[in-house]
Amino acid sequence: EAGVAQSPRYKIIEKRQSVAFWCNPISGHATLYWYQQILGQGPKLLIQFQNNGVVDDSQLPKDRFSAERLKGVDSTLKIQPAKLEDSAVYLCASSLARESDTQYFGPGTRLTVL
Amino acid sequence: GNSVTQMEGPVTLSEEAFLTINCTYTATGYPSLFWYVQYPGEGLQLLLKATKADDKGSNKGFEATYRKETTSFHLEKGSVQVSDSAVYFCALNFNKFYFGSGTKLNVKP
Repeated sequence: EAGVAQSPRYKIIEKRQSVAFWCNPISGHATLYWYQQILGQGPKLLIQFQNNGVVDDSQLPKDRFSAERLKGVDSTLKIQPAKLEDSAVYLCASSLARESDTQYFGPGTRLTVL
Repeated sequence: GNSVTQMEGPVTLSEEAFLTINCTYTATGYPSLFWYVQYPGEGLQLLLKATKADDKGSNKGFEATYRKETTSFHLEKGSVQVSDSAVYFCALNFNKFYFGSGTKLNVKP
């Protein structure tokens, strides 16, 4: 069974530039999550999708971050414009259903904002 | 609110030593509790979980017991190996996931 795929694995941009991350969850997983993991901290949930609908985006900085999950499969997370404090690893995870406890994580995208 | 607090690292042990990583939680209800592990250069992997009070999760020699009375879920292993070197995250799920800040474990040969 293929795991959660993410790309790119690394990205370096300058502040005020835009960046987008892509995630392909495990086939058949209805729930998809985006987390931000700042160095030395645990993952923080940014947004949770159930199929293509948003379940929770309470911690997403909506003035600069956006995410979509068209057709309930792949998802993209965008930052526009980026700030220095956005430097972090962005993790995508998926689970079979919203009620399912087990999340499966992708390898993450390490973003450096200069 | 909901939150997880785990002991700060790094924790450095010799091979075959006993491991305990403390984790306590605050929740507005009855969450499920988890330990995730992140090996160098890899994504987070589920290590073990417990879904109700007094449940014990176990995997790869690691154990943790859901203690409602002390709101704790401490991770233990009787004899660590060099290959256990990683960052360990305690987490709870109560409508959504909350992660602790992680504890880095270094095991020396």
